[in-house]
Amino acid sequence: DAKTTQPPSMDCAEGRAANLPCNHSTISGNEYVYWYRQIHSQGPQYIIHGLKNNETNEMASLIITEDRKSSTLILPHATLRDTAVYYCIVRVPYNYGQNFVFGPGTRLSVLP
Amino acid sequence: DAGVIQSPRHEVTEMGQEVTLRCKPISGHDYLFWYRQTMMRGLELLIYFNNNVPIDDSGMPEDRFSAKMPNASFSTLKIQPSEPRDSAVYFCASNRAGTGNEQFFGPGTRLTVL
Repeated sequence: DAKTTQPPSMDCAEGRAANLPCNHSTISGNEYVYWYRQIHSQGPQYIIHGLKNNETNEMASLIITEDRKSSTLILPHATLRDTAVYYCIVRVPYNYGQNFVFGPGTRLSVLP
Repeated sequence: DAGVIQSPRHEVTEMGQEVTLRCKPISGHDYLFWYRQTMMRGLELLIYFNNNVPIDDSGMPEDRFSAKMPNASFSTLKIQPSEPRDSAVYFCASNRAGTGNEQFFGPGTRLTVL
């Protein structure tokens, strides 16, 4: 399994963009990058995933470098409710024998 | 859809007692996962099922833990006998094959073994 490296914590001012980095230098060609977050006392929540192209949905944008060795999750206008632990995971999505491995993630604190 | 449903939300029991945690996956999902989360070890996968069949239980910590999925809409995780070190939050998740493999998690059961 490709492993990921994330900073343990980050702060972001409310209303500003939160940019959460993830390194996955050993990612293989068929592995996707997934992002989840976990708000305190809740189950993890899926945010977005991508292979090599940038992706955007109603929650966030995902920017993957051309060499795919790193990515950035962008929350364009962070709110206090975005305070959570954010997990970056790499995985082959259609390999049904595989599952997600959650590392320690990045604890994002959105400050008023 | 109501999402993944877990019960109970909180469980406090004494060491040696049997504990049963319950999960109802999202209708139409054919994969079901049980996770455990602690401060020390983070989020760990315990076991997962595909079409009600256990596929990988290598994460189950020991024989005191067992999981069943008698039908597509119900699964249980049982601990017998329970020990204080089993105290954790237990999450159930489900997903559907053929999608982007994003998992949908339940709210969790917070277990405290005294």
